Amino acid sequence: DGGITQSPKYLFRKEGQNVTLSCEQNLNHDAMYWYRQDPGQGLRLIYYSQIVNDFQKGDIAEGYSVSREKKESFPLTVTSAQKNPTAFYLCASNPGPWRETQYFGPGTRLLVL
Amino acid sequence: QQQVKQSPQSLIVQKGGISIINCAYENTAFDYFPWYQQFPGKGPALLIAIRPDVSEKKEGRFTISFNKSAKQFSLHIMDSQPGDSATYFCAARRDTGNQFYFGTGTSLTVIP
Repeated sequence: DGGITQSPKYLFRKEGQNVTLSCEQNLNHDAMYWYRQDPGQGLRLIYYSQIVNDFQKGDIAEGYSVSREKKESFPLTVTSAQKNPTAFYLCASNPGPWRETQYFGPGTRLLVL
Repeated sequence: QQQVKQSPQSLIVQKGGISIINCAYENTAFDYFPWYQQFPGKGPALLIAIRPDVSEKKEGRFTISFNKSAKQFSLHIMDSQPGDSATYFCAARRDTGNQFYFGTGTSLTVIP
């Protein structure tokens, strides 16, 4: 059963804490993306990666970090520098440049305690 | 700066009616225009998409109309059903870099 999995479904963060959101895909896609979704603002790009060991900042990268050590995995860390982390986080993948369709995972909702 | 502008923010349609959502863009480097459907608490799912060399694409009850000169595209949902109630996002992909830009979303409610 191919697809994108995100875990956990809900995540709680305390003040000053770093938390990591997991994204795994078994679609053999080269490109992976992290988006943040807030009410009324659509999807905003945090980071994206076209190939393993390479990634680029999106429009709202401040306070976030990523790694891409394996093709299947693209974890996102929300650091304590991100002052307003409460949002719905979506991971997506795409077969690669010149391939159009983007597939989304089920999302992780991050809440601040 | 919003690269893709979407309207309306919310839409209420009677069952059997036509739902129309509009998007506009400025960047002529965009080469692919998808529409996504999202239900509460779920990730978006690709609904239908179009390339700029085509003016219209139809899949079942869903149609994209594309006006390249006006840099506008729209989603038409014919015979709207309560099960179509969801948030719809338009998007555009830049021809280099494989980056996608999304509209702010339209919350569609189809009332019986």
